[in-house]
Amino acid sequence: DIQMTQSPSSLSASVGDRVTITCQASQDISNYLNWYQQKLGKAPKLLIYGASNLETGVPSRFSGSGSGTDFTFTISGLQPEDFATYYCQQNDKLPLTFGGGTKVEIK
Amino acid sequence: QVQLQESGPGLVKPSQTLSLTCTVSGGSISGGSYYWSWIRQPAGKGLEWIGRIFPGGSTNYNPSLKSRVTISVDTSKNQFSLKLSSVTAADTAVYYCARVVGTTGIDYWGQGTLVTVSS
Repeated sequence: DIQMTQSPSSLSASVGDRVTITCQASQDISNYLNWYQQKLGKAPKLLIYGASNLETGVPSRFSGSGSGTDFTFTISGLQPEDFATYYCQQNDKLPLTFGGGTKVEIK
Repeated sequence: QVQLQESGPGLVKPSQTLSLTCTVSGGSISGGSYYWSWIRQPAGKGLEWIGRIFPGGSTNYNPSLKSRVTISVDTSKNQFSLKLSSVTAADTAVYYCARVVGTTGIDYWGQGTLVTVSS
């Protein structure tokens, strides 16, 4: 299985801050990397696919980059509705695997 | 707008079989270049992919669960189903059904259903 290592596991930030989350794959996954947002009690929501492509309807303050084994997810200008847990996920090889999640909390 | 809805018992006894169904509305389960998956999440923990099924019926399972999992599809009802046998407390989780678009990602999710394994 491809292991996905996310960091940090949690962070505290203020509204307006720039937030960066990293995700490292245990092997080369090209750009087959997606990012999801999950709010408490809700299903995850796809934000970024193919490492850097913004899903339709997702605000442009969300962005992603990277390829191979190292990926970055950024929120440029954190909004109150962005406090949630974020997951990376690879879909290069089965089984699909997810990172452990990053909880973004209010400072 | 595609919608997915999980249904099934919320409580299952240890050693028994967990059975869930996902009903797809707003689109055909047979159309397009996507497949259907089950994913679970224990309380306070991360996401685990259980397996997938294509509309034609071919399946792939997570090796960690493969011996206990069966996913099936009923295109006439626009539904797909999950069976997980010999459950233990470790199988207690929120179970999600979802649509996966090729290499794009998981674009539609059900709301999730909590299944508790307890006697």
